[in-house]
Amino acid sequence: DTEVTQTPKHLVMGMTNKKSLKCEQHMGHRAMYWYKQKAKKPPELMFVYSYEKLSINESVPSRFSPECPNSSLLNLHLHALQPEDSALYLCASSPRLRAYEQYFGPGTRLTVT
Amino acid sequence: AQSVTQPDIHITVSEGASLELRCNYSYGATPYLFWYVQSPGQGLQLLLKYFSGDTLVQGIKGFEAEFKRSQSSFNLRKPSVHWSDAAEYFCAVGAVDKGNKLVFGAGTILRVKS
Repeated sequence: DTEVTQTPKHLVMGMTNKKSLKCEQHMGHRAMYWYKQKAKKPPELMFVYSYEKLSINESVPSRFSPECPNSSLLNLHLHALQPEDSALYLCASSPRLRAYEQYFGPGTRLTVT
Repeated sequence: AQSVTQPDIHITVSEGASLELRCNYSYGATPYLFWYVQSPGQGLQLLLKYFSGDTLVQGIKGFEAEFKRSQSSFNLRKPSVHWSDAAEYFCAVGAVDKGNKLVFGAGTILRVKS
């Protein structure tokens, strides 16, 4: 089963709200990723976790705060977002880092008003 | 730095016709190459991957791709396109030395006409 799930599917939030995106996988993968995808653009990497530790932060603004509570779960906490942060947020996982394919979830469509 | 070029933004083919989507990459070391497909508003589905070995790789849904090191290319092919293949296709290179970061091409939107 190569399934990565993400909740919620859609999220609308104001600029003063605090919300969280959730990602889950039960494939035993030890690397998990957050990507941001703007309309008509390819996904761009935001964060990488390896063995529940933050491995890469691609200079993402602090209003995005990732968390990996265990090997199956990945959260993205959102606070004081801007309208330009509206995008599709994709979670992915891979068995480990280094030369493994990544499996993507369906994404959360975020709209910031 | 790694980069991926997909020269065709849009491609339209007739149902039943053959398909080739082009991808060129730039990467200093041995590339790990992928093709993903994305339907509107959906996540990305892995079609196939190349790590090493046989340069012609088979994927899901009847797709195949050929790795040509001399041309720095990894083109995706399908002998007979179905209407359900209409989607956006992304070629990507995996940067092993950068936390397995995937660097994507800009994507090619495939339209299938009946």
